[in-house]
Amino acid sequence: EVQLVESGGGLVQPGRSLRLSCAASGFTFDNNAMHWVRQAPGEGLEWVSGITWNSAGITYADSVKGRFTISRDNAKKSLYLQMNSLRPEDTALYYCAKDMGGDDIWDAFNIWGQGTMVTVSS
Amino acid sequence: QSALTQPASVSGSPGQSITISCTGTSSDVGYYNLVSWYQQHPGKAPKLMIYEVTRRPSGVSNRFSGSKSGNTASLTISGLQPEDEGDYFCCSYTTNREVMFGGGTKVTVL
Repeated sequence: EVQLVESGGGLVQPGRSLRLSCAASGFTFDNNAMHWVRQAPGEGLEWVSGITWNSAGITYADSVKGRFTISRDNAKKSLYLQMNSLRPEDTALYYCAKDMGGDDIWDAFNIWGQGTMVTVSS
Repeated sequence: QSALTQPASVSGSPGQSITISCTGTSSDVGYYNLVSWYQQHPGKAPKLMIYEVTRRPSGVSNRFSGSKSGNTASLTISGLQPEDEGDYFCCSYTTNREVMFGGGTKVTVL
């Protein structure tokens, strides 16, 4: 079964850090680009960051640039998001998503995890 | 960059057709044929319904179709069914090498 499972969310104070993980199974992980997409409670979807199959191409949304770092370990079939200097507006459900392509022309997201909740509050 | 523009809500009776629009700019929807559409039911992860403007993933009903004209993409649901209720989001790759989502459209089956 094709599956993405996120972990690492939780309650964190403003200014602190958190690292999210996404474990992939059921497909050839190193064939595809991967992304993080978030959804604030009751709001729409917001793309956060994407990474190519070989980590050579990485882009970020302006709202997280300089604070978040995406990475992947193909040997472990895992995707990561290091989130630093967290703000209350980063509070959201964070989804890991598989791109239909492998390069940095981001295509569509055909597989999604169930998400991990991040709450930034004092 | 602002989100792509979608109507907040669209409704229709069972069996009818509805169309959801998604308006962007010449730097996103109008530039690339990389528009996708997602369906989301409450408490669930989004599901890909249309990719590359008109293509349908395996397993998605042929009642769903996509199109594009200029800077506006559209999703049409034909033969509306109760299970089609939910939120729909459009999405496009941009010339800034980012991804832009629409604000979402709530579809109600009357």
